[in-house]
Amino acid sequence: DVKVTQSSRYLVKRTGEKVFLECVQDMDHENMFWYRQDPGLGLRLIYFSYDVKMKEKGDIPEGYSVSREKKERFSLILESASTNQTSMYLCASSLVTGGHQPQHFGDGTRLSIL
Amino acid sequence: DQQVKQNSPSLSVQEGRISILNCDYTNSMFDYFLWYKKYPAEGPTFLISISSIKDKNEDGRFTVFLNKSAKHLSLHIVPSQPGDSAVYFCAATPNTGNQFYFGTGTSLTVIP
Repeated sequence: DVKVTQSSRYLVKRTGEKVFLECVQDMDHENMFWYRQDPGLGLRLIYFSYDVKMKEKGDIPEGYSVSREKKERFSLILESASTNQTSMYLCASSLVTGGHQPQHFGDGTRLSIL
Repeated sequence: DQQVKQNSPSLSVQEGRISILNCDYTNSMFDYFLWYKKYPAEGPTFLISISSIKDKNEDGRFTVFLNKSAKHLSLHIVPSQPGDSAVYFCAATPNTGNQFYFGTGTSLTVIP
């Protein structure tokens, strides 16, 4: 079974801090994704990566960056946290590009910025 | 602009009856469609999918219907059970590229 693990379930940080959210998958998936989920807005894609050291902007990349140094790990970085980045953050992975394969999600990190 | 839309934020159904969740999309390049189920404080879990070459896919109590001409898909749950109470997201992806596009979700409550 695919396992996507997010390092923290709950996180509280202060405005202006640099925040790191970590995600690890154990199924050798090519693609990894970061989303945020907000009430009434569904899941919005922040960044995704289709290979090590490769990244693509999603719909809402402003204020975020990502790092993928190893295939199994995808990190989301809030360069200078702001209160409007308080949200549920979800990491996902999928097997290959272009194939009809679902994404598999971690349990999420609920991030509060004070 | 939202390419995948779920116009019903919530739905309540009696246990044992049918639940029908609806989803509309705008992009004709989408060729693979999925439904996810999400409980509070958990990540979405994959439920069922359908390719654009089909118009129906069944998995136990869950059936997804695809109407390409109307750009509409629906998820039928029969019979509905209290454990089905969750938020359901539909998603779509085009035949090229990696990105999945999600709807805003429908919160299903199955009343015992």
